[in-house]
Amino acid sequence: EVQLVESGGGLVQRGGSLRLSCAASGFTVSNNYMTWVRQAPGKGLEWVSLIYRGGSGANTYYADSVKGRFTISRDSSKNTLFLQMNSLKDEDTAVYYCARDRSGGFLDAFDIWGQGTMVTVSS
Amino acid sequence: DIQMTQSPSTLSASVGDRVTITCRASQSIRHWLAWYQKKPGKAPNLLIYQASNLESGVPSRFSGSGSGTEFTLTISNLQPDDFATYYCQQYNGDFPSFPFGGGTKVEIK
Repeated sequence: EVQLVESGGGLVQRGGSLRLSCAASGFTVSNNYMTWVRQAPGKGLEWVSLIYRGGSGANTYYADSVKGRFTISRDSSKNTLFLQMNSLKDEDTAVYYCARDRSGGFLDAFDIWGQGTMVTVSS
Repeated sequence: DIQMTQSPSTLSASVGDRVTITCRASQSIRHWLAWYQKKPGKAPNLLIYQASNLESGVPSRFSGSGSGTEFTLTISNLQPDDFATYYCQQYNGDFPSFPFGGGTKVEIK
């Protein structure tokens, strides 16, 4: 079964760091475009980051709100996607979802999503 | 940066109604647009990809159209399970960001 399972969320102090993981099963993360999306309480969906398919050196993209603070990466040996979050701000409080594009061959819409992991930034 | 604008932000409708949601891109994204349904506590669910293609398993009462900068999602014969929030997202790789629209909440009238 194709599945994504996020972990690593929790309560962190303002200015702190957290690393989210997204473990994949049923497919290979390096063969697909992968993304992180978040939803703050009472707010809409916000795209956070995307990594292209391929090996090391694959293109990565970030929303302006997280650029320079967040880093997307993957570990092929663990078939896992990561989001390293540094210098966390109150406005980073949200449920974070990872997702996989439906094609793998070219960038397409995201059809497989994890269940989400909650990140709470507190002073 | 490319921006996505959805309208309306809220829509009140009854079971059996036909509803239409609009999404506008600040620049042409050709047909690289998706529509998602989001319910509280659940992950987003892909409905439409490449502007007009119905994702497998999605009921045929959902349809999408448009290209360039203007797109629509139509739900025909609204069902109780359809009351949710809907988002568009651009994924044209010519742009370095992949934003969502602000969302449209479909409420029971």
